[in-house]
Amino acid sequence: GNSVTQMEGPVTLSEEAFLTINCTYTATGYPSLFWYVQYPGEGLQLLLKATKADDKGSNKGFEATYRKETTSFHLEKGSVQVSDSAVYFCALHFYNQGGKLIFGQGTELSVKP
Amino acid sequence: EPEVTQTPSHQVTQMGQEVILRCVPISNHLYFYWYRQILGQKVEFLVSFYNNEISEKSEIFDDQFSVERPDGSNFTLKIRSTKLEDSAMYFCASWVGDTGELFFGEGSRLTVL
Repeated sequence: GNSVTQMEGPVTLSEEAFLTINCTYTATGYPSLFWYVQYPGEGLQLLLKATKADDKGSNKGFEATYRKETTSFHLEKGSVQVSDSAVYFCALHFYNQGGKLIFGQGTELSVKP
Repeated sequence: EPEVTQTPSHQVTQMGQEVILRCVPISNHLYFYWYRQILGQKVEFLVSFYNNEISEKSEIFDDQFSVERPDGSNFTLKIRSTKLEDSAMYFCASWVGDTGELFFGEGSRLTVL
């Protein structure tokens, strides 16, 4: 079946540290891949996306590359800020199968000053 | 910017009571979804709705749950007889039906006592 696996959290970093949150997936077909972010007390917001293999999504200094050969979509940021503290969800999206999103379990990031 | 709105933001109910959660999706979107997030856990798919009928539902979406689009704008989730384990954040989402992302509401927190 289709599934997403993320690295376990919480991840605690100091401000300006380098961030990697690992995401791997299992999928039949050709999904799009998304990262959603959930700030404390808020809903889910799209952070970035990639719709096909080798695409790189980027937004707010975050980036992730759709790697079909390793079935991965790791999230990276070169220098995190306290305001990046949130829960990050990797997700599969099959636009030709009713559009359902399949989420990973989420990774909590805490950035300390 | 168009957004998905949900009401109520928080509802407290007694076990066995009926609850209706309401959502107003983005007006030109065609697909509608409900997701659930139990505190600290992953975001789980409940149901998708297209062309005035359920297109897919998960194992969680049993006979106690129902969805409806009673008019041209609202999309509701009804839980007939709430259980303690229904306590969660419920997210509504809508999708226009292309390679773009799903848009989520801020969520409705349901607490069952």
